[in-house]
Amino acid sequence: DAKTTQPTSMDCAEGRAANLPCNHSTISGNEYVYWYRQIHSQGPQYIIHGLKNNETNEMASLIITEDRKSSTLILPHATLRDTAVYYCIVRVAEYGNKLVFGAGTILRVKS
Amino acid sequence: DAGVIQSPRHEVTEMGQEVTLRCKPISGHNSLFWYRQTMMRGLELLIYFNNNVPIDDSGMPEDRFSAKMPNASFSTLKIQPSEPRDSAVYFCASSLETGGSDTQYFGPGTRLTVL
Repeated sequence: DAKTTQPTSMDCAEGRAANLPCNHSTISGNEYVYWYRQIHSQGPQYIIHGLKNNETNEMASLIITEDRKSSTLILPHATLRDTAVYYCIVRVAEYGNKLVFGAGTILRVKS
Repeated sequence: DAGVIQSPRHEVTEMGQEVTLRCKPISGHNSLFWYRQTMMRGLELLIYFNNNVPIDDSGMPEDRFSAKMPNASFSTLKIQPSEPRDSAVYFCASSLETGGSDTQYFGPGTRLTVL
């Protein structure tokens, strides 16, 4: 699996957009970009994933650069409940391919 | 809809005792994963089942750990005998694998403390 690089931590003001970057410069053509988050003492929560097109759902938007070497997760209006560790994972979509979690980015949303 | 259900949520036991963790995956999902999370090692996959069959157990730390999936709606992870270094949060996840971009959904975890 390709590895990802994320900042260790970020702060965001409540109500503002949170933009979390991820570098995956060695990503392969068949690898998807997944984002999960883990709120303290809870299980990881799926947020969004994409292959090459930008994606949006009720939680977030995922912007993938044209060369696919980096991506940005956007939480459009961050709330205090969005404070969590955010994991960017690249993964081939095939049976049993595990999620390999790195250290992630600690996002602190502040009032 | 019910998500992945794990029990117990917390378990405290003494070294040498047997520990059994339980997981009920999301109905209709065909794959189940057991992960372990520690401060030192982060989140790591222990074992993966597809259609109730263990496919990859390369992450199981040693023979003290065993996992079963007797049917599509139930799985157990057993540690016998338990040791203090097994203290961790154990997560179960399930997915509907179709060979495409499936999504794994995680349970709330079981926090295990071995004294």
